[in-house]
Amino acid sequence: EAQVTQNPRYLITVTGKKLTVTCSQNMNHEYMSWYRQDPGLGLRQIYYSMNVEVTDKGDVPEGYKVSRKEKRNFPLILESPSPNQTSLYFCASRSRYGNTIYFGEGSWLTVV
Amino acid sequence: TQLLEQSPQFLSIQEGENLTVYCNSSSVFSSLQWYRQEPGEGPVLLVTVVTGGEVKKLKRLTFQFGDARKDSSLHITAAQPGDTGLYLCAGAGDSNYQLIWGAGTKLIIKP
Repeated sequence: EAQVTQNPRYLITVTGKKLTVTCSQNMNHEYMSWYRQDPGLGLRQIYYSMNVEVTDKGDVPEGYKVSRKEKRNFPLILESPSPNQTSLYFCASRSRYGNTIYFGEGSWLTVV
Repeated sequence: TQLLEQSPQFLSIQEGENLTVYCNSSSVFSSLQWYRQEPGEGPVLLVTVVTGGEVKKLKRLTFQFGDARKDSSLHITAAQPGDTGLYLCAGAGDSNYQLIWGAGTKLIIKP
């Protein structure tokens, strides 16, 4: 089954404790991205990657890092999480020539 | 900076009523997509419209792309509780890789 899998789905952590949210897709998609979703603000793109070893900042990259060492994986790293990073995070992927974006199920992150 | 304004932000109606959600911008988009998101899940693509004036139907849902490709609407006929969800529009600009997202319309259909 074609899917985007992200983990963990739910996490409560403390300010400053580094964490990584993993994302994996099994569709051989070139394009992957991370979004955060906050009430009233819709989806805001954090980082995106057009292929292996190619990443770029989205609209709200501050406080986040990503890497794309393999085509299927695109982890999101919060080096020193802060409470304003409490949000619902989505990983997404798309084929280079397609227009359908496939989203993961989301990761609820709370930073206290 | 391209922006997409969605309206209304929230809509709660009775089963059987009709409704329209709007997505407006001052910018031209090469294509526009509508997604539906249910609680606890990621958005799922409903439709992509590409041509100005294009109308697409998906059962009781009708999607229209404005003639100038700056706006779009989603009309639901005889809404059902199963239509409840967050509806998001997203426009593709010059770069097909980047989408501009509306803030979403939260729709509740009461039985």
